Amino acid sequence: QITLKESGPTLVRPTQTLTLTCTFSGFSLTTSEVTVGWIRQPPGKALEWLAVIYWDDDKLYSPSLKSRLTITKDTSKNQVVLTMTNMDPVDTATYFCARSFSSSLTRFDPWGQGLLVTVSS
Amino acid sequence: QSALTQPASVSGSPGQSITISCTGTSSDVGSYKYVSWYQQYPGKAPKLMIYDVNNRPSGISNRFSGSKSGNTASLTISGLQAEDEADYYCSSYTTSSTRVFGGGTKLTVL
Repeated sequence: QITLKESGPTLVRPTQTLTLTCTFSGFSLTTSEVTVGWIRQPPGKALEWLAVIYWDDDKLYSPSLKSRLTITKDTSKNQVVLTMTNMDPVDTATYFCARSFSSSLTRFDPWGQGLLVTVSS
Repeated sequence: QSALTQPASVSGSPGQSITISCTGTSSDVGSYKYVSWYQQYPGKAPKLMIYDVNNRPSGISNRFSGSKSGNTASLTISGLQAEDEADYYCSSYTTSSTRVFGGGTKLTVL
């Protein structure tokens, strides 16, 4: 069974850095073609793709957020970490991680349950 | 990268068929077979319904089908059921190697 779960702070102050961890099981990020991505969803709004990391450590970011995002992986812990700097109230959202494949680039399946992060002073 | 364009809402009666469109550009939908569709219930994580334009994951009903023509992809749900009432999102790969989602469509089963 493949599972992913997001963890991290649920409340962040403006200007702080957010660090989110995606812990997964049932697959390995050392396997060819496997990727893990981050997607967020502000309350009542649409999904927004943030970043992806590939099995070979290639990384890609949303052009609009690229300067603020960093994605890394720890294959020994089966974890992917996303950091987002200079948080703002508009970054309040549920943050999801999901598995995908380089052979099927938008096939996010499955998804984690999501973590609601609120940015407020 | 602009979001893909979806109708805000669609509706249909049980048993009917509905189609949700997803319009992009030649830089995303028009250039690749990598278009996916997701179903999302309130407060839940999205669920993959269609990938690579017209492929269904294991366990997804054959009432769900996908297609693409030019810069527009479509999700068709036939034999509409009450349980299909949810939000639906499309996603595409882009020429910048990034991914983009649509604005979402709320499906109401009348």
